[in-house]
Amino acid sequence: KQEVTQIPAALSVPEGENLVLNCSFTDSAIYNLQWFRQDPGKGLTSLLLIQSSQREQTSGRLNASLDKSSGRSTLYIAASQPGDSATYLCAVNDYKLSFGAGTTVTVRA
Amino acid sequence: EAGVVQSPRYKIIEKKQPVAFWCNPISGHNTLYWYLQNLGQGPELLIRYENEEAVDDSQLPKDRFSAERLKGVDSTLKIQPAELGDSAVYLCASSLEPGGDNEQFFGPGTRLTVL
Repeated sequence: KQEVTQIPAALSVPEGENLVLNCSFTDSAIYNLQWFRQDPGKGLTSLLLIQSSQREQTSGRLNASLDKSSGRSTLYIAASQPGDSATYLCAVNDYKLSFGAGTTVTVRA
Repeated sequence: EAGVVQSPRYKIIEKKQPVAFWCNPISGHNTLYWYLQNLGQGPELLIRYENEEAVDDSQLPKDRFSAERLKGVDSTLKIQPAELGDSAVYLCASSLEPGGDNEQFFGPGTRLTVL
């Protein structure tokens, strides 16, 4: 059974600092990995999808890397803003999505 | 393009009552998923449909949960009777095609509170 772990569980940083969110998974036989954002009381918004053949994916201030052999992905958010405050979830797709519990980020103005 | 639509957004019921949730996927998306999200945890898959066929319902508690996707478009998830432990957020997602390499898009969820 795929196990997905996200560390840390919570993170608080001052505005402008770069964010580094970690995700690890136990079974490397995956199709892709997705990073989601979830605001309180809301659904999931897809941020980035990395196919298993890719090493990284970028969108604006967001960059996600994938090392399938070691079972790790990292989401980098550059120059954080208060609007980046949310819970970030990673999910690995081995024909179904298996999610981590998320990292709750607070960016202080 | 409209996203995944779910209703109701919130539901409060007493235990032992029935409840139903509705989902309309993104137009043209053949694969539909229902997830359960408990507080402080990531979503867990309940059931996956490819068109009108349930191809993975191994995590669905079939003694009290049921789902249908008539005509392969919108879907309904039902709980009867509801228990206190069913209080959670129920998320619906869809993807364009079957297959593990397709991106999933999520609706806003239905927050269920069982009293």
